[in-house]
Amino acid sequence: AQKITQTQPGMFVQEKEAVTLDCTYDTSDQSYGLFWYKQPSSGEMIFLIYQGSYDEQNATEGRYSLNFQKARKSANLVISASQLGDSAMYFCAMREQRTGGTSYGKLTFGQGTILTVHP
Amino acid sequence: KAGVTQTPRYLIKTRGQQVTLSCSPISGHRSVSWYQQTPGQGLQFLFEYFSETQRNKGNFPGRFSGRQFSNSRSEMNVSTLELGDSALYLCASSLSGTRRYEQYFGPGTRLTVT
Repeated sequence: AQKITQTQPGMFVQEKEAVTLDCTYDTSDQSYGLFWYKQPSSGEMIFLIYQGSYDEQNATEGRYSLNFQKARKSANLVISASQLGDSAMYFCAMREQRTGGTSYGKLTFGQGTILTVHP
Repeated sequence: KAGVTQTPRYLIKTRGQQVTLSCSPISGHRSVSWYQQTPGQGLQFLFEYFSETQRNKGNFPGRFSGRQFSNSRSEMNVSTLELGDSALYLCASSLSGTRRYEQYFGPGTRLTVT
């Protein structure tokens, strides 16, 4: 069974500084996808970034980058130049990828990290 | 392009009643997944539909069911509501055939069972 662990219930960062949100995962699958989502107080989950298990390069999307360390089974999210609007709950998630390359829509989520950005 | 829409946004029901939630995916997306979010259990996968067929199911009792229509819109139904069913129900759609297969979520339906 897949498991995602986010050990930081809450994190604080000063505006314009960088912050790292931790995520470790456990799976016996060789092929999987890792995702980060942001959930503001409004409730909607916003897709931020994706990393495939066979991707050799760390994923980047604007101010978001994913520090992927496969041997350590970690997929930490790095947010550079934090903004007040980054204050939200952040979830790390994993999706197994079935044999044959078909990726099904079942995500396993961690418990989340609440990020607060101070001015 | 319009995002995922969910109706209603808020719902209050009484124990023992049943409820139906609706989800309209992003145009062109044929996969729809449903999740339940509670403070105690976090985000849990309910089921996924693709081309009107249930493709995957989470560990929820049979009171939770769903379906998908030919236009990819999906509904989920909860019968004989219990207090513990109070939650935010999130729907997500995906574009099949892509490597990332990222899911785009709707704003959710907040269900309160009294």
